[in-house]
Amino acid sequence: EIVLTQSPGTLSLSPGERATLSCRASQSVSSSYLAWYQQKPGQAPRLLIYGASSRATGIPDRFSGSGSGTDFTLTISRLEPEDFAVYYCQQYGSPPMYTFGQGTKLEIK
Amino acid sequence: QVQLQESGPGLVKPSGTLSLTCAVSGGSISSSNWWSWVRQPPGKGLAWIGEIYHSGSTNYNPSLKSRVTISVDKSKNQFSLILSSVTAADTAVYYCARGGSAASFDFWGQGTLVTVSS
Repeated sequence: EIVLTQSPGTLSLSPGERATLSCRASQSVSSSYLAWYQQKPGQAPRLLIYGASSRATGIPDRFSGSGSGTDFTLTISRLEPEDFAVYYCQQYGSPPMYTFGQGTKLEIK
Repeated sequence: QVQLQESGPGLVKPSGTLSLTCAVSGGSISSSNWWSWVRQPPGKGLAWIGEIYHSGSTNYNPSLKSRVTISVDKSKNQFSLILSSVTAADTAVYYCARGGSAASFDFWGQGTLVTVSS
């Protein structure tokens, strides 16, 4: 089973700043199968990025994903107040199995 | 716009069976998508439980495989989760989700909290 480790656990930033979230895999992950989600309290996760770098429908272009192999990054170019939430990465591998990272909490500084 | 809605008992006794249904609207469960269950214990992260295709093919998380059954009812456009021999560790918000592009989950239900307690 591939383990995803996200860092940092908590990121404290101010609106307007740039956020860089990391997701590291215990084994190489196909870039095609790496996704990022945003989750706010009491809500279901929302898909932001799939295929490591493709934005999901309706996601603002301040969100971008990059990376390959074992290291992936979610970048939020200029933080808006509504971006403060928990972010999860997720991968799919063989045998058919999906795993999530433990999450990064993005909080207002 | 596809919408998913979970339903089922919010309280299950230890050693009992958890049973949830996910109703799909705005789209067909017979589309070229897999349909999954994901859970989230209170204050913790997300964990995939398993998935089903409209043909009835399934894949399960190996850690839960012995206790999980996922089924599909195409006539009702819904799919279901059964988890047997539950313990307090199975207390969680249970989400149903649609498999989207590149093995992501593009549509999610709102989630339903299931508490295992006597």
